[in-house]
Amino acid sequence: DTGVSQDPRHKITKRGQNVTFRCDPISEHNRLYWYRQTLGQGPEFLTYFQNEAQLEKSRLLSDRFSAERPKGSFSTLEIQRTEQGDSAMYLCASSFSVWQTSDNEKLFFGSGTQLSVL
Amino acid sequence: DAKTTQPPSMDCAEGRAANLPCNHSTISGNEYVYWYRQIHSQGPQYIIHGLKNNETNEMASLIITEDRKSSTLILPHATLRDTAVYYCIVFYYDKVIFGPGTSLSVIP
Repeated sequence: DTGVSQDPRHKITKRGQNVTFRCDPISEHNRLYWYRQTLGQGPEFLTYFQNEAQLEKSRLLSDRFSAERPKGSFSTLEIQRTEQGDSAMYLCASSFSVWQTSDNEKLFFGSGTQLSVL
Repeated sequence: DAKTTQPPSMDCAEGRAANLPCNHSTISGNEYVYWYRQIHSQGPQYIIHGLKNNETNEMASLIITEDRKSSTLILPHATLRDTAVYYCIVFYYDKVIFGPGTSLSVIP
């Protein structure tokens, strides 16, 4: 068990460029979450997957954001035409979810990708 | 939106118990209470969870009121390393939503 890994750790880009982040969850985990966090705020929910199915996308997320989880393994989060307001820490988390219970459904987080848009 | 309410900040003397409250007055019967903490620059870390009964593990204790409308996380002997933001979350087989949490400062 190597934990949740995210790549890259840091990304600096210019406004208008596209960026893509990758998350590798814990191998047996079927749920994968993406969150965004800015200084002094709690993690803000962006989207989550159950295996390869995207269950929900935050209504706060613009069409410039897209996430995929092909084959229910790793996930990518792409931001197109980045804006300075996209600068934040992007966190990925995974968990093992059992049908109709949430007992012991612990989230394990990666170290995050810090995005800076210049 | 988060279904919980927590004080924005608290202080605790090193070596004393830290009691962090959380209100979840609209909790439904099958929703669990989870606590996480986030130390600066790291991802949140799971602490403890419970449904109805009080729970204890090597990190903390969780006290849930009988009506389940509030809970308290107890760090029995706070150390400087416990300085962090603590998040109380309720959910059931759904997405996990974080609120702003409580920023706990452990003071020497």
